[in-house]
Amino acid sequence: EAEVAQSPRYKITEKSQAVAFWCDPISGHATLYWYRQILGQGPELLVQFQDESVVDDSQLPKDRFSAERLKGVDSTLKIQPAELGDSAMYLCASSSRLFWGTGELFFGEGSRLTVL
Amino acid sequence: KNEVEQSPQNLTAQEGEFITINCSYSVGISALHWLQQHPGGGIVSLFMLSSGKKKHGRLIATINIQEKHSSLHITASHPRDSAVYICAVPYYGGSQGNLIFGKGTKLSVKP
Repeated sequence: EAEVAQSPRYKITEKSQAVAFWCDPISGHATLYWYRQILGQGPELLVQFQDESVVDDSQLPKDRFSAERLKGVDSTLKIQPAELGDSAMYLCASSSRLFWGTGELFFGEGSRLTVL
Repeated sequence: KNEVEQSPQNLTAQEGEFITINCSYSVGISALHWLQQHPGGGIVSLFMLSSGKKKHGRLIATINIQEKHSSLHITASHPRDSAVYICAVPYYGGSQGNLIFGKGTKLSVKP
C-alpha cells in the first residue's frame, strides 16, 4: 500500500545545531504539507507545496526554518539553528489534488525532534 | 481562540464500553475530518463527512452542521483502539484550504 515516507523517525540534537527532515509523498500527489505538532497539541501547518511551488508558508519561522521541494516530488524541511522550543513531532502529509478540505490527506509516521 | 474544541481531553474506558468523543467548531465548514494518531505518531484518516452519519466497522461519526458539532463513537471498544483522536476542519485562509486541528482526545481502553 502506498504511503508517505519520512526520515529520520527520531532525531536528538543540541541547541544551535542544524537538522533536516525528509519526506517522500505518495507517488503522484501534487500537494505536500509539513506540520509541527507540539506534545499535547494538534498539528499546525508550517508550509504547503503545490508541485514545486510554495503555496502557504505564512506560519514558517523563516529566520531559522526553510523548506524545499525542488522537483515537485520529495521535500526537505531544515532548521538552523535549532532551539529548545523546536522540540516537536514534524509531520508530512500529501494529497492527490488541490486540497480544499474535502479530500483525503495521507500522513507519514512523523519525525520526532528533541533539542537538548 | 480555538476554532476547534474537543472533549474530553482524556478518556479511560474498560474494554467493551461504548465511547463518545465530541468536537465543536466555530467556523463555517464544507467537511469535517476525524483522524487517529497512534503512540508512534503516525496519523490515519478515519472519516471525512459533511452531513449525517458515516460508519466503518465499530466506528461511527456523526455531524450536525447547524449546531456545528460532530461526534465520534466507538462501539465495543478494544485496547487496540487506544490512541489520540483528532477532529479537524478546513480553513480557507491564504490561497488554499488547510486543516485546523483540535488538540485531540487521548483514549485509553483497559482490558
